[in-house]
Formats: sequence, structure tokens, C-alpha cells
Amino acid sequence: DVKVTQSSRYLVKRTGEKVFLECVQDMDHENMFWYRQDPGLGLRLIYFSYDVKMKEKGDIPEGYSVSREKKERFSLILESASTNQTSMYLCAASLYTEAFFGQGTRLTVV
Amino acid sequence: GENVEQHPSTLSVQEGDSAVIKCTYSDSASNYFPWYKQELGKRPQLIIDIRSNVGEKKDQRIAVTLNKTAKHFSLHITETQPEDSAVYFCAASPNTGNQFYFGTGTSLTVIP
Repeated sequence: DVKVTQSSRYLVKRTGEKVFLECVQDMDHENMFWYRQDPGLGLRLIYFSYDVKMKEKGDIPEGYSVSREKKERFSLILESASTNQTSMYLCAASLYTEAFFGQGTRLTVV
Repeated sequence: GENVEQHPSTLSVQEGDSAVIKCTYSDSASNYFPWYKQELGKRPQLIIDIRSNVGEKKDQRIAVTLNKTAKHFSLHITETQPEDSAVYFCAASPNTGNQFYFGTGTSLTVIP
């Protein structure tokens, strides 16, 4: 069965902290994505990666960075968390067609 | 880049009625159009998709239509059931799965 796993379901962090959101896929898929989901705004692409050590900015990359040192792992980094980054974060992986999503990480920045 | 618009944002129907959700896209290079269903508290999951060389695709009670000329595509759900209640997202991909641009979602409520 296809599996995309995000390391945390819920996170609470303080303003200014450096935050790491981890995503692991077991499908050997090349393409991985980080989305942010907010009510009324849908799924907005933050960053994506086509291959190891490769990354591309999405629509809302400001305040975020990513790391892909291994094919199966794609990390989203909030360099200095701010309250406007409180959101649901979804990781996804795809190969050619269907995108498989992780269960999401609900991040609250206080 | 691609811009996907989705309407309506909320939709309520009586059980047994049909529901239609519409999306438009801007990039003529988009060639793959998936639809995802997200139940409350769960991850989005693919329910149906269509490629640009096809005008319509059907899977039991759900169907998707694509009009490439007008750059719009629609999801049709017939004989709706309470378990169809969820948020539905359309998406467009210019590289058949290498990149996805999502609509803002439609919250569908099926009233028993």
C-alpha cells in the first residue's frame, strides 16, 4: 500500500523558532511537494522537488526552505516561525500522475 | 504560472440529487486534471482524473468533463449520498504529475 508519512500530526511552536516538518514516502517517487492548506484558499504550493538535492519554489515560498538529501525524504523548514505560518501543512509525492498525500501536520505558532 | 479557479465554494444538495463543481484553468499547456476528495480530518485522495486528449470520463456515480477550448472542467456526482459529503479539490497539471495547481475547494454537504 502506498504510504506518505509526515512526522507529526500536531505541532505547537513559539514565534522565532526554527521548525522542521518531515515527510517520508515509500514509493520511490521522484516528485515531492509541500502544500499549505488554509480555509478558503485551498492547497497552495510552497516548494517542490523533482529529484534528490533539487528544489523549486512554488507559489508561496517566502519564509520557508526545503531539503531533499535522500529520495524518500523531503523536509520543510520554517527558518523563523511566525504566527501567520499557523496552518495545516500537507506533503505529497507523485510519479507521472496521482499525487499521494500525507496525513497533514497542523502547526500552531504562538 | 497556472491559475485554477473553482466554484462554488460551498454546495448543499438533498440526498439523491446531483452535484456539479466547476473549475477553470489558465495555462493551455495543462494536460492532466485530477479531482481530489478530502473527508473531514483526512488526507486528500484522488477520486477521478482526466487527460487533455479525452472529453469525458465516468466512474460509477462520478464523471468529469473537459472543454479544452474554453479551459474548463467539471465534476458531476449523481445520486448523491451522505458519504459524498467532503471538500473536493480540482487541479491542473502542465507536466502530467510533475506539478499540480489546485483550486480553492468546494465543501459539499449532502442532506439526508
